[in-house]
Amino acid sequence: LAKTTQPISMDSYEGQEVNITCSHNNIATNDYITWYQQFPSQGPRFIIQGYKTKVTNEVASLFIPADRKSSTLSLPRVSLSDTAVYYCLVAKANTGNQFYFGTGTSLTVIP
Amino acid sequence: DADVTQTPRNRITKTGKRIMLECSQTKGHDRMYWYRQDPGLGLRLIYYSFDVKDINKGEISDGYSVSRQAQAKFSLSLESAIPNQTALYFCATTAGGMNTEAFFGQGTRLTVV
Repeated sequence: LAKTTQPISMDSYEGQEVNITCSHNNIATNDYITWYQQFPSQGPRFIIQGYKTKVTNEVASLFIPADRKSSTLSLPRVSLSDTAVYYCLVAKANTGNQFYFGTGTSLTVIP
Repeated sequence: DADVTQTPRNRITKTGKRIMLECSQTKGHDRMYWYRQDPGLGLRLIYYSFDVKDINKGEISDGYSVSRQAQAKFSLSLESAIPNQTALYFCATTAGGMNTEAFFGQGTRLTVV
C-alpha cells in the first residue's frame, strides 16, 4: 500500500497560484495518483487523476515527474472558495482501488 | 438528485444500541465504500465492496459490519455503539477500471452518548 505524505497546511493570497506537493515513494507500477478536495462537513470531491507527466483539466493541473515518487497539484489563481482540505491518493486501477486517504493539506486562501 | 444518498444525515444514539447507516447510489457502479472521519484524522476506510458478493475489511473494521443488499445499496451497522464511534461517516462509490474517481455522499453525523 503506497503511503502518501503532504504538508499539513498552507496559506495563500487570493489570485496566487498554489502548488501542493505529495510524496509517494513506494508507488507501484499500476498505481494512479488522484487528488480530492473536501469542504467542511461535505464528502470529498474528485479533482484530477494522473499516471505520469502532466495532466490538466478545467480546475487544476497535476505534475508527475518521471520517477513518479511525488506529484504536485497546481491550482491557478486561487479564490476564497478554494479554501478546503486537499487529499493526495495513490490508487490501483483495474485490480481494485481501495482509496486510502491520509490527513490531507488544509489550504487557507487569504483575501 | 444526488448520485450517492446517505440516511440518516444526523443521528444521536445511546451507548450499546444497534444502529444502521444506509447508502444508495444511482451511478450504476459496482464498487462501494464506507469511511469515517474524525477531526484532524482525515478519512479512514472501514469496509469496501467490489460487487454484491464481495465484502472486504478496511483499516478500521472492528466494531462495524456491512451488508451489500444490491448493487446500489450498501449499509453500515454498529452492533453495539460506543462513544468513540462518534464521527462523520461517508459512503462512496467508484466505477473501477482505469477510473479512480470516487463519488461521495453528503455524510452521516453520528453521535453516541
